This record gives sequence, structure tokens and C-alpha cells, in this order.
Amino acid sequence: KNQVEQSPQSLIILEGKNCTLQCNYTVSPFSNLRWYKQDTGRGPVSLTIMTFSENTKSNGRYTATLDADTKQSSLHITASQLSDSASYICVVSDKGFGNEKLTFGTGTRLTIIP
Amino acid sequence: NAGVTQTPKFRVLKTGQSMTLLCAQDMNHEYMYWYRQDPGMGLRLIHYSVGEGTTAKGEVPDGYNVSRLKKQNFLLGLESAAPSQTSVYFCASSYGFRGGGETQYFGPGTRLLVL
Repeated sequence: KNQVEQSPQSLIILEGKNCTLQCNYTVSPFSNLRWYKQDTGRGPVSLTIMTFSENTKSNGRYTATLDADTKQSSLHITASQLSDSASYICVVSDKGFGNEKLTFGTGTRLTIIP
Repeated sequence: NAGVTQTPKFRVLKTGQSMTLLCAQDMNHEYMYWYRQDPGMGLRLIHYSVGEGTTAKGEVPDGYNVSRLKKQNFLLGLESAAPSQTSVYFCASSYGFRGGGETQYFGPGTRLLVL
């Protein structure tokens, strides 16, 4: 069964500090990995999408890395801001026969305190 | 450009009642999806559509029906609501091949409480 596990479940950091969120997956065959940001009471918003051949991708202060060999990804947030407080969801797409399927992680809830 | 919109934002139903959730997108996307999000679980796909007039089952389709009569609209119906359908429902849309690296754009969600 395809699974996506994220750690930590929750994280509190001071404004201005950096942090790294982790995502481990057991999805096969692998197609791509996405990171979404979900503000409280809102829908998820895409941050990055990485395919098998990409091992890093940036979107402003967000940098995602992918190690397809160890099936791990991380999302690094630099110089955190209060607006970064949200849940961050890792999503992995498989590329099996027929339609692809997205497997969603349960997210890491990040709280930035002033 | 409103993106993906959902109606209603919040609804309370009694067990056995029916309702329809409406999703609309103005990005001319071919693909549309309905997900549910429950505490402690990742988003789960209920139904999806790869174009006007088409629908297909996702991971958790039981108790739901969908229709895509117009390209811009995707309706999710609950014929006889059950407390287990209490959840937050998200609609999403994308340009092309499902899951093929195409970004999905999500609506703001509909909170449904079934008593």
C-alpha cells in the first residue's frame, strides 16, 4: 500500500528562524512529489513539484529536496515569517498502469511565533 | 479570475437528508476532482472528471455521486447523508493529465456537519 509519512506532526519556531520538514514515502512506481501549503480554513496551494530527475526546487524562501533512492523529501523554509504558519502537505504521485494516483501525507502543522 | 470556488461554505445536515455541493472553475481546466479531508488523515479522492460529461470513482466514492454537465462545473451529491460524511470537502482542478505533474488548484472548501 502506498504511504506518505511526514514529520514532525507539528513544529513551533521563532520568526526569522529556519526549519526543515520531512517526508518519507513508499509509493511505487514514482512519478512526482509535491509540497502544498494549507492555511487554516483554506484549500491547499501548490509550492513545488519535483519529478524523478530533479533533486531540488525552490519557490522563494521554500526549497524542496528529493532523494528518490532513499524515498525521502524535505521542505526547507528560510527566514520564517508569521505568514508561514500553516500546514505543509507532502503528496506523491505514482505512475502505474492506467491513471496516476496521488497519495497525500497528513501534513506538518507549522506555527511561527513572534 | 476567481480560480476555483465552492458553494456552500458551510452546511449542517440531518442524517438521511440530501444535498449538492457545487464547484466552479474559470481556468478552462479539463480535470476536476472532489476530495474529503478528515482530522489525522490525508486528503482522499472521492470522484474525479477528465472532461465534460465524464466522471470516475476515486478512493472513497461510496455514498457520493457526481456530475459534470458543463466543463466549468463539478457537482458532488450526497443522496442520504450519514454522520461518517462529516468532513471538509475540497474541489480541485487541473489542466491536463491527472497527476502527471500538473498543478492542482484547490477551492476554499465546504465544511459539512451531519447530525
